[in-house]
Amino acid sequence: GAVVSQHPSWVICKSGTSVKIECRSLDFQATTMFWYRQFPKQSLMLMATSNEGSKATYEQGVEKDKFLINHASLTLSTLTVTSAHPEDSSFYICSAIKPAGVNEQYFGPGTRLTVT
Amino acid sequence: GENVEQHPSTLSVQEGDSAVIKCTYSDSASNYFPWYKQELGKGPQLIIDIRSNVGEKKDQRIAVTLNKTAKHFSLHITETQPEDSAVYFCAASYDFGNEKLTFGTGTRLTIIP
Repeated sequence: GAVVSQHPSWVICKSGTSVKIECRSLDFQATTMFWYRQFPKQSLMLMATSNEGSKATYEQGVEKDKFLINHASLTLSTLTVTSAHPEDSSFYICSAIKPAGVNEQYFGPGTRLTVT
Repeated sequence: GENVEQHPSTLSVQEGDSAVIKCTYSDSASNYFPWYKQELGKGPQLIIDIRSNVGEKKDQRIAVTLNKTAKHFSLHITETQPEDSAVYFCAASYDFGNEKLTFGTGTRLTIIP
């Protein structure tokens, strides 16, 4: 199998606080994970590529100081939304590449963030 | 960079009929084309993929075709069932290392019982 989990599945926080979202590959090791953001009825927007043991690579327009990514192990990547504001409210989804010589990405179930 | 266009944006078909979703891509170097199904409030699920060394791939009621010359690929779902209702995304990437995917805009498929 190729199971990716995310925690929490949903979170509500107040403006100005920080929120951490965890992404775990449960049955395989992933040297690369990706973080996406999805607005209602829209496609997935890639935020950053997370590589184990190195700094994340952010897509153009994504503030790296606001969206902190840490890929500390081969099964865990975290996304921290710092000083959250209502406009950060969104559905955040991670994915992980299963290393089998092919580029298959498996997605987590997503985290619904609401900033009040 | 790669650009992927997907059509139609919405599709309604009668249960039991077939559904076809089409995508075009711009970068001729792309050689990996997965399809994802996303149900409401959930993450995308990989349902089938194809690489440029083949023209067609089937998995039960689902098939994908690829035309590299024309740079387009399609998802075919036969004998549709209500549980096929979801949003479907196509994507493209270069199948080497850990290349990021470029997604299409999605197709909302509704199966009418």
